[in-house]
Formats: sequence, structure tokens, C-alpha cells
Amino acid sequence: DTEVTQTPKHLVMGMTNKKSLKCEQHMGHRAMYWYKQKAKKPPELMFVYSYEKLSINESVPSRFSPECPNSSLLNLHLHALQPEDSALYLCASSQVGGANYGYTFGSGTRLTVV
Amino acid sequence: AQSVTQPDIHITVSEGASLELRCNYSYGATPYLFWYVQSPGQGLQLLLKYFSGDTLVQGIKGFEAEFKRSQSSFNLRKPSVHWSDAAEYFCAVGPQDNNDMRFGAGTRLTVKP
Repeated sequence: DTEVTQTPKHLVMGMTNKKSLKCEQHMGHRAMYWYKQKAKKPPELMFVYSYEKLSINESVPSRFSPECPNSSLLNLHLHALQPEDSALYLCASSQVGGANYGYTFGSGTRLTVV
Repeated sequence: AQSVTQPDIHITVSEGASLELRCNYSYGATPYLFWYVQSPGQGLQLLLKYFSGDTLVQGIKGFEAEFKRSQSSFNLRKPSVHWSDAAEYFCAVGPQDNNDMRFGAGTRLTVKP
């Protein structure tokens, strides 16, 4: 299995809702990432997990809460989002020291906050 | 910190013509460099990567890239473009042994029939 699977593919949520994005990989990768991508912009790094521990948090607002329950799963919990948080959320995985190998990306979750 | 610049926001080429997408990097040491392609609404697919050694690297879908240290560049090339190559292309740089890869702004490729 050489894929990163993200669910759901599309999500519409209100500003008072709580939702979660899920990401799963079975490639034995021990580094996993969340990126946010606005339209016509490059992906922006949000969080990095290395060996299931948060290693990088790019000053992301607390309304985004990542979780890595095991080496195959990565969640992003969403609460009290703003319309400007609407974007494509991409999950990626790699071997630790990922820059050596490149990342494998999922197809993303298209999030719309209303 | 490492960074990449893609000078061209949008490029249009005719089908069958050659293609070159530019990428310049800024990094103090030897960088790890990547090219990714993204179709609309999709994730990113790795085309090729450079770590060391031969400065001309071959990738998937007939793409190649050349690392030029003197110019701090890593340009992507394809000798003959196909309509299916229309997409967004991102250059990325990552420091050695670090999970911190950064993307350029991207170049949108349009292919004319």
C-alpha cells in the first residue's frame, strides 16, 4: 500500500461545529504532516509529527488541534473555525528525515466553513 | 531558513513543444530539492528529487531536472509536453535530516492544442 488516505474528501461546517479530518497510511512512515492550501497558493506547513510526537507547530491557532493516536493515523480536530479557514487540507507522510525521501501526499479534504 | 522561488506564475505552451519551469533556492548547505505536480482539487505527486551525485535527475512522466549549484537553480524540463501535463507545479526544498519541507509559490502550466 503506497497511499495516504484522507477522509472526508469534502466537508462543510458551521462556525460553531466540531469536526475531525482523518489521515491514514500503511507504508510504515513514522513522520506525518498537515498542510493547509488556499486556492492558487502553495501548501503551508501546519504540523509535523515524528514518531507520534508533535515536533513542529507552525504557530497554528488553537482551533486546530492535531492528534496522532498511532503510527498509521493522523487526525486534525476542528472547532470554532472561521470562514477564512476554508481551504484544502493535505496530509502527507514520509520516513523520518523526510526531506531525504520526499513526502507522499493524500488527495486532501476540501473544507468549507459557513 | 531554506526557501524556493518560482519566478513564473503561469506558463502556456503548445502541445508537443518543450517545457522548462524555473526554480531558484536559497539554502546555506546542499539542499534536498523536489518537484511536485498537482492537478486541480488533488494532492501533490512527486515528480523527481535531488539529493547529491549526478546533477541531472530523471523523474516520472518524462520529466527531468538539472541542479546547478552556481546558479542556485533546479529547473524542470520536458522535451515534448502533452495536454495531460496541464497542472500546477511546485518546487520544494528540504534541509538534510529534517522534516521541514517548504514549497515555492507554484507555476501553473496551460497546454494549448
